[in-house]
Amino acid sequence: SAVISQKPSRDICQRGTSLTIQCQVDSQVTMMFWYRQQPGQSLTLIATANQGSEATYESGFVIDKFPISRPNLTFSTLTVSNMSPEDSSIYLCSVYRGGEGYTFGSGTRLTVV
Amino acid sequence: KNQVEQSPQSLIILEGKNCTLQCNYTVSPFSNLRWYKQDTGRGPVSLTIMTFSENTKSNGRYTATLDADTKQSSLHITASQLSDSASYICVAGTALIFGKGTTLSVSS
Repeated sequence: SAVISQKPSRDICQRGTSLTIQCQVDSQVTMMFWYRQQPGQSLTLIATANQGSEATYESGFVIDKFPISRPNLTFSTLTVSNMSPEDSSIYLCSVYRGGEGYTFGSGTRLTVV
Repeated sequence: KNQVEQSPQSLIILEGKNCTLQCNYTVSPFSNLRWYKQDTGRGPVSLTIMTFSENTKSNGRYTATLDADTKQSSLHITASQLSDSASYICVAGTALIFGKGTTLSVSS
């Protein structure tokens, strides 16, 4: 299956700042996804990152708060902007490849203080 | 409303024992059901994927069942090991609706 390198693995950030999370895949994939996992909650899809076009955001998530870049078929970034303690979560990237299904990165544990 | 409910929320068992985790779903469109294992501090890892026409699928000591009529699935773990301690997440439908997971702790 696809191998995903996600970093940082964890960070503690001050409120009002921004953090950019990187996701690198070992091979080209068409679709990459970003999820949020709040404490005790299920994974929630933030957006689908498409190469060559703007990301598609799910209801409740906006580009100004979670800008996404997808410069090529193996890399994507998610930025959590103007952070508040409510943004403390685990953020995961995921890719889909036919025959392998979905593969997830190891996640970024974000704590906002 | 699409939703996936898992039970129990948490479970503690002794090493070597069997256990069964439950998943009830109300998801449309429904084409498949997935079970993932998520170790603490890691991303989810796929255990099984079943289409709506499949009733059971095994992956080593993990066996998943699916009843599409009652919209229920279960994950049975046989001869549990300490390394089975993790969160098990049920995911249903084309749109990937995630359950909150069952936290399993295996003790010696």
